[in-house]
Amino acid sequence: EAQVTQNPRYLITVTGKKLTVTCSQNMNHEYMSWYRQDPGLGLRQIYYSMNVEVTDKGDVPEGYKVSRKEKRNFPLILESPSPNQTSLYFCASSPDPLSYNEQFFGPGTRLTVL
Amino acid sequence: QKEVEQNSGPLSVPEGAIASLNCTYSDRGSQSFFWYRQYSGKSPELIMSIYSNGDKEDGRFTAQLNKASQYVSLLIRDSQPSDSATYLCAVPGTNSGYALNFGKGTSLLVTP
Repeated sequence: EAQVTQNPRYLITVTGKKLTVTCSQNMNHEYMSWYRQDPGLGLRQIYYSMNVEVTDKGDVPEGYKVSRKEKRNFPLILESPSPNQTSLYFCASSPDPLSYNEQFFGPGTRLTVL
Repeated sequence: QKEVEQNSGPLSVPEGAIASLNCTYSDRGSQSFFWYRQYSGKSPELIMSIYSNGDKEDGRFTAQLNKASQYVSLLIRDSQPSDSATYLCAVPGTNSGYALNFGKGTSLLVTP
């Protein structure tokens, strides 16, 4: 089944404890992206990747890191999480950069930072 | 400034009626526009895309685009309770590579 998977789906952690949220797609998509969704603020893009080893900042990259060493994986790293990073996170992928808008979303990761 | 604006709602319509959702955008260079549907607690899913001025129909959904006025709308005919969700308008940013800008969404409630 073609899909975007994220792990973990739910995570409660404490301030400063490094964490990684994994994202994987099995559709051989070139474009991948991370969003966070907050009440009243909507979906905001954190980082995106046009292809392996090519990443760029979205609207809210502060406090996050990403890497794209393999085409299928695009992990989101929080080196020192803070409470303001409590949010619902979505990973998304798209077949190629020209059709990046038609994005397929993962199921989401609900993160709580205490 | 990249902005995609939507009325947050909730928009309430009776079953069988036409639901009209609107979106305005600030970037005159935008060339493509998308509507996503998001059920509560779920991830967004693409339901319509439109690239040219005018109407595009797909089943009960019609997207309308007016680039001169910088608005895009989504009409849902014969609304069903299962259409109750938040509808997100998305417009690519033309000044920041390939980032996709979402509106905050309009909550639609279809009452039986």
